[in-house]
Amino acid sequence: DAKTTQPTSMDCAEGRAANLPCNHSTISGNEYVYWYRQIHSQGPQYIIHGLKNNETNEMASLIITEDRKSSTLILPHATLRDTAVYYCIVRVAHNQGGKLIFGQGTELSVKP
Amino acid sequence: NAGVTQTPKFRVLKTGQSMTLLCAQDMNHEYMYWYRQDPGMGLRLIHYSVGEGTTAKGEVPDGYNVSRLKKQNFLLGLESAAPSQTSVYFCASTPSMNTEAFFGQGTRLTVV
Repeated sequence: DAKTTQPTSMDCAEGRAANLPCNHSTISGNEYVYWYRQIHSQGPQYIIHGLKNNETNEMASLIITEDRKSSTLILPHATLRDTAVYYCIVRVAHNQGGKLIFGQGTELSVKP
Repeated sequence: NAGVTQTPKFRVLKTGQSMTLLCAQDMNHEYMYWYRQDPGMGLRLIHYSVGEGTTAKGEVPDGYNVSRLKKQNFLLGLESAAPSQTSVYFCASTPSMNTEAFFGQGTRLTVV
């Protein structure tokens, strides 16, 4: 299963963009990159996912490098409520159950 | 996290007791997953199912059994609980591997 590497923690000023990097150098061609976040001990919350192209939704943008070995999650205007642990996940192929394999995540602290 | 319900939300067990955790989803999803999360750690996959009547092992299956007799329900069993199984358990479901997975709110289990 492809593994991901993320910084353990990051800080961001309120109102600024938060850029969270992720390395996934062993990703296969048909594996998706997913981002989830977890606030306190709640269930993980879906943010965004992509395969090759950059993606944007109401929460965030996902930038995937051309070689697909890394990606960046961008929260354009971070608020205090965005303080959470962010997980970058490579989702394995259908014939392996489409599993979401979590790593350690990045603890993002948004400060006033 | 609408649509994925975990029962119970909290439970305290004595060592050696057995119990079953229920995950129910009303979204007609094919894929279902059971994870555990220990303090300060990411989620680890216990078992998963790619459809009614099917189950498969994840990263940490030892000490657990599962069943998927009905499409909407995924049961996680502990036959003889151990203190090492003290954790927060999360269930998730998804219709396919290129769509988001929905997580339940978790079951907090303590084994004394």
